[in-house]
Amino acid sequence: DQQVKQNSPSLSVQEGRISILNCDYTNSMFDYFLWYKKYPAEGPTFLISISSIKDKNEDGRFTVFLNKSAKHLSLHIVPSQPGDSAVYFCAARSGGSNYKLTFGKGTLLTVNP
Amino acid sequence: DAGVTQSPTHLIKTRGQQVTLRCSPISGHKSVSWYQQVLGQGPQFIFQYYEKEERGRGNFPDRFSARQFPNYSSELNVNALLLGDSALYLCASSLEGRATYEQYFGPGTRLTVT
Repeated sequence: DQQVKQNSPSLSVQEGRISILNCDYTNSMFDYFLWYKKYPAEGPTFLISISSIKDKNEDGRFTVFLNKSAKHLSLHIVPSQPGDSAVYFCAARSGGSNYKLTFGKGTLLTVNP
Repeated sequence: DAGVTQSPTHLIKTRGQQVTLRCSPISGHKSVSWYQQVLGQGPQFIFQYYEKEERGRGNFPDRFSARQFPNYSSELNVNALLLGDSALYLCASSLEGRATYEQYFGPGTRLTVT
């Protein structure tokens, strides 16, 4: 039972364009969402997060949008840079068990020069 | 400042053996979480320890156990290894025990069970 779903295994964009990574969830108890970036041979690195009481959070080139009614969130990267090429994981926290994160399978983003 | 460190980097074990993985959190961090990442999947929560107490446990069999020491480092033990235990084992540390506190991941230990 996959509660956090990233349905696109990979995404390829041109440098300078927008990258949009999507994530869907099924558990209504999730109240906090995070995006992590992972390079090969490294652990995941925290990127940006959003609380369920908000619908948007922005940090430099990265913006996360949350649509609670659709149980959908997305990460926008503008403009995309070759250094952004990595696997991106969506993760969620349940208010009932606030010590653990549930991750999606990840999306491999490739930004072409 | 040193980040989260894990040892060993790679490990090859035979079915039925036992393995111990080690994690040192960032200095000052009191919480350590363990995750298993199987190829093609996202990290899956195994345990969290905060102030040397187990705070939570994921859906893993009793073959998996962990502990946290007074210096906040942690060990993950897996007994009676199965082929399906082959994975990248990630350790993450944070200041507090809540998952919303920024978690810093180590590079992981790659375990191969043959």
